[in-house]
Amino acid sequence: QITLEESGPTLVKPTQTLTLTCTFSGLSLSTSGVGMGWIRQPPGGALEWLALIYYDDDKRYSPSLRSRLTITKDTSKNQVDLTMTNMGPVDTATYFCAHSSSIVATNVYFFDYWGQGTRVTVSS
Amino acid sequence: DTQMTQSPSSLSAFVGDRVTITCRASQTISNYLHWYQHKPGKAPKLLIYGASRLQSGVPSRFSGSGSGTDFTLTITSLQPEDFTTYYCQQTYNFPLTFGGGTKVEIK
Repeated sequence: QITLEESGPTLVKPTQTLTLTCTFSGLSLSTSGVGMGWIRQPPGGALEWLALIYYDDDKRYSPSLRSRLTITKDTSKNQVDLTMTNMGPVDTATYFCAHSSSIVATNVYFFDYWGQGTRVTVSS
Repeated sequence: DTQMTQSPSSLSAFVGDRVTITCRASQTISNYLHWYQHKPGKAPKLLIYGASRLQSGVPSRFSGSGSGTDFTLTITSLQPEDFTTYYCQQTYNFPLTFGGGTKVEIK
């Protein structure tokens, strides 16, 4: 059975740093071509991609948030962390982690498994 | 950035209806287009990947088509559990981008 679960603080103060952890099972981040991403959804808003880390530790970030984000993985613990610095009220959102796979022998990758998300509120 | 424009943003339909949602990319993205279903409080669910490939376990009433810049998601014979929000996403280039979503409501 494949599961992904996000964890972290539900409330952070402005200017603080947020660290979220995605713990997964039934998946491997050691397999060629796979990755894990973070996506968020503000209240009443659409999905916004934040970051992606590949099996080989290659990392990609949303340019608009690049200076504030760090994504890391611990393959031995089946965990992926996302750190976001200098949090503000506009960062209030539900944060999802999602596993990425690709069509065999192509670069067409997609998010095939998602966690239920963790809601983060930024408020003093 | 590749902008993804979904339309309509919402629609009302009856159970049993056929509905089509469109997604237009601001530049060509080949077939790097995927569709997700998202119910409130739940994990988003992959429906279609590579523009037209049905994800395992997804009912065959869902189908996708298109290539380049214009794509469609079609749901034939809407079921009660299909009334929720749908998103398209491109993974052709970074940053990865999603459409604004289409909320399918019961008429």
